[in-house]
Amino acid sequence: DGGITQSPKYLFRKEGQNVTLSCEQNLNHDAMYWYRQDPGQGLRLIYYSQIVNDFQKGDIAEGYSVSREKKESFPLTVTSAQKNPTAFYLCASIEGAHGGSYQPQHFGDGTRLSIL
Amino acid sequence: KNEVEQSPQNLTAQEGEFITINCSYSVGISALHWLQQHPGGGIVSLFMLSSGKKKHGRLIATINIQEKHSSLHITASHPRDSAVYICAVNLFNTDKLIFGTGTRLQVFP
Repeated sequence: DGGITQSPKYLFRKEGQNVTLSCEQNLNHDAMYWYRQDPGQGLRLIYYSQIVNDFQKGDIAEGYSVSREKKESFPLTVTSAQKNPTAFYLCASIEGAHGGSYQPQHFGDGTRLSIL
Repeated sequence: KNEVEQSPQNLTAQEGEFITINCSYSVGISALHWLQQHPGGGIVSLFMLSSGKKKHGRLIATINIQEKHSSLHITASHPRDSAVYICAVNLFNTDKLIFGTGTRLQVFP
């Protein structure tokens, strides 16, 4: 079955450490997204990528970095510059740029990141 | 003020009850989405609407573009419907989604 796989499900970060969250999709989707979810708040966009080797900052990109070397993969690195990284992180994808045709986003099951 | 507001924030119901969750937005949109987030955290897309009404099983979603309002209805609710329901809108002519804070629904047997 096609879908989005996020790993790990739970991740712990020490002070000053960079950690990388994995997002892999086998849906052949062009566009991929990273969101952060905090209690009592709506999902907020961190980074997105519409094609391989290209990505754009979202609303809260500071302290995060991404790469898009392959269509299937869009890993997110939470750097030590992100001072409040404890949150639930969700990866999503859609088939292509909207071109006037809007599509529902497909989501992974998320990674919960905590500080040790 | 959030651009997407949902009400209520929390909702409890007895099995079999008819449930309504509301979403109001203050921006120009191209589409509105209803999403379901299960206790484990994964999110599933339920509906995408740009006008009118859609039905899938016991779920019905409506949108009134003039009033900038959408509702999600669940008929004959069941404990397995317990989840967080999230409203999100595509800003006009973009892929960008703006999310509401969600409505937590608990259905008791």
